[in-house]
Amino acid sequence: KNEVEQSPQNLTAQEGEFITINCSYSVGISALHWLQQHPGGGIVSLFMLSSGKKKHGRLIATINIQEKHSSLHITASHPRDSAVYICAVDSGGGADGLTFGKGTHLIIQP
Amino acid sequence: AAGVIQSPRHLIKEKRETATLKCYPIPRHDTVYWYQQGPGQDPQFLISFYEKMQSDKGSIPDRFSAQQFSDYHSELNMSSLELGDSALYFCASSGDRHYGYTFGSGTRLTVV
Repeated sequence: KNEVEQSPQNLTAQEGEFITINCSYSVGISALHWLQQHPGGGIVSLFMLSSGKKKHGRLIATINIQEKHSSLHITASHPRDSAVYICAVDSGGGADGLTFGKGTHLIIQP
Repeated sequence: AAGVIQSPRHLIKEKRETATLKCYPIPRHDTVYWYQQGPGQDPQFLISFYEKMQSDKGSIPDRFSAQQFSDYHSELNMSSLELGDSALYFCASSGDRHYGYTFGSGTRLTVV
């Protein structure tokens, strides 16, 4: 079973700061997902990565397959970015979908 | 665009009661996954279905059962509810995993 570790678990920053959230996993994967979960539970898929880097607006996600590591960056952070960010990996072989990290609780203060 | 629809959004049940949660995948998605997320916990895989057949089973209690119907929607049936079953239950659907997953907003079950 793939072990997914995220850091930090909690992060409080000031509006405008550059945010980095890290994710490491133990076993090779077919894809890695970054998800955003707001209070109340709804999950939004931000990125799906199998290599390299993706950018969407102020969000950037990178993955290093050799090092089994991914990072999610938020530039010019804003209070509306406050949410739980979850890294989830798809190991590709099984029918159990994704293995989730415990999430990073991000609070952006005005 | 249509998303994954779950109903109900919130549900309050008493101990030992039963509950049925529904998940409607987006069109042309043939695979549904159910997850349970306890308070402050990461989601745990319960069960998945592909083309109306159960394809994998995770940490789903024997008190729970699920199925996928001909229109690909899925129902999670939970009996003899316990306080520890209080959690967010969400489903995800996919057509081809290479294109990722779409998540429902979840059903928040509270057992009192």
